[in-house]
Amino acid sequence: EPEVTQTPSHQVTQMGQEVILRCVPISNHLYFYWYRQILGQKVEFLVSFYNNEISEKSEIFDDQFSVERPDGSNFTLKIRSTKLEDSAMYFCASSEWAGSYASDTEAFFGQGTRLTVV
Amino acid sequence: AQSVSQHNHHVILSEAASLELGCNYSYGGTVNLFWYVQYPGQHLQLLLKYFSGDPLVKGIKGFEAEFIKSKFSFNLRKPSVQWSDTAEYFCVGGSQGNLIFGKGTKLSVKP
Repeated sequence: EPEVTQTPSHQVTQMGQEVILRCVPISNHLYFYWYRQILGQKVEFLVSFYNNEISEKSEIFDDQFSVERPDGSNFTLKIRSTKLEDSAMYFCASSEWAGSYASDTEAFFGQGTRLTVV
Repeated sequence: AQSVSQHNHHVILSEAASLELGCNYSYGGTVNLFWYVQYPGQHLQLLLKYFSGDPLVKGIKGFEAEFIKSKFSFNLRKPSVQWSDTAEYFCVGGSQGNLIFGKGTKLSVKP
């Protein structure tokens, strides 16, 4: 069964450093997403991406965050200058279609990358 | 503001007990609702989804959920749980990938 894969599974970084979290979405999917879950809190939407551009982003997704699809398979989340409060589990997801009348707007999630900022 | 709330933080049951996890949503417009499950050490998986039509939705592994519009609820049920159902369950609403998650309910099933 196709799945979304994320690397690394755990990343430890020093405050102020840049990190790149990597995701390989399911190959025929067109929409890609990043979510995060701070320990003990809700899973929160960060950003959605379609046709090589951001289609929607939340308030959390400020200037220190960026996303990119550098080639045909990877989808990355970059955090430019990490802060302690960026420590969280980051989930990548993809879906085949996300139209208004979709009956298949199921998002498939990766296993997550646990980011620890020290 | 759109929100999804789950009533229980942690539920502990014995095997064969019946399960009902509460979920309420508050947003207008098109209502798309999901239940996702996360088994220990694994990724989020879709249990079931509701977009329209029959409000009683059947999912995988014997789970079902009922959409009750008048109560803004989408409770998850299973008549008889197994130890392997131990996981965290998320009620989720929204569409276009902008999914709104509930806080999650940890289910522990004692053998």
